[in-house]
Amino acid sequence: AQSVAQPEDQVNVAEGNPLTVKCTYSVSGNPYLFWYVQYPNRGLQFLLKYITGDNLVKGSYGFEAEFNKSQTSFHLKKPSALVSDSALYFCAVRSAANDKIIFGKGTRLHILP
Amino acid sequence: NAGVTQTPKFQVLKTGQSMTLQCAQDMNHEYMSWYRQDPGMGLRLIHYSVGAGITDQGEVPNGYNVSRSTTEDFPLRLLSAAPSQTSVYFCASSAIAGGTDTQYFGPGTRLTVL
Repeated sequence: AQSVAQPEDQVNVAEGNPLTVKCTYSVSGNPYLFWYVQYPNRGLQFLLKYITGDNLVKGSYGFEAEFNKSQTSFHLKKPSALVSDSALYFCAVRSAANDKIIFGKGTRLHILP
Repeated sequence: NAGVTQTPKFQVLKTGQSMTLQCAQDMNHEYMSWYRQDPGMGLRLIHYSVGAGITDQGEVPNGYNVSRSTTEDFPLRLLSAAPSQTSVYFCASSAIAGGTDTQYFGPGTRLTVL
């Protein structure tokens, strides 16, 4: 069975500092990995994805993520945090073997002014 | 394009009542899915469909039924509502494309079961 773990319920970062939101996954076969963001009272919006190729993927709003196969991780990063980055972030995984897309529990990112 | 639309936005039910949450997309996407979002639980997959006439169970299917008679619509039915089904429900769609496409989410339906 596939699963996603986001070990931190909340991450606090000062504005201007780099941020990391952690994600690890378990899946049979090759993973397809995604990050989504949810702003208050809104649906989810796509940030970036890893399908194949370069382990470092770049996405919307200056975010990037690094796929690490040996550590089964896909951490979300940004070099310089903005207050407007404060939101709920979800990591998701799909196995190449089936069509289920499973989400993690989410990490609330709080950027301090 | 309207994208993914969900109706209603809010609903209050009494225990034992039935209802259907509507979801429609106008992007000709083959893949559609339903999730529920609960505090501390993240998004959990209820049911999904890879095309008209094809549905399958997700992580938490009990108490919910789905059907996919057209590409555009993917309604979620609660047969006999229970307080444990109080949640925010999101519908999503994506082109199949080998499952590599991003999902587009609707605005959600906030359901309260008394």
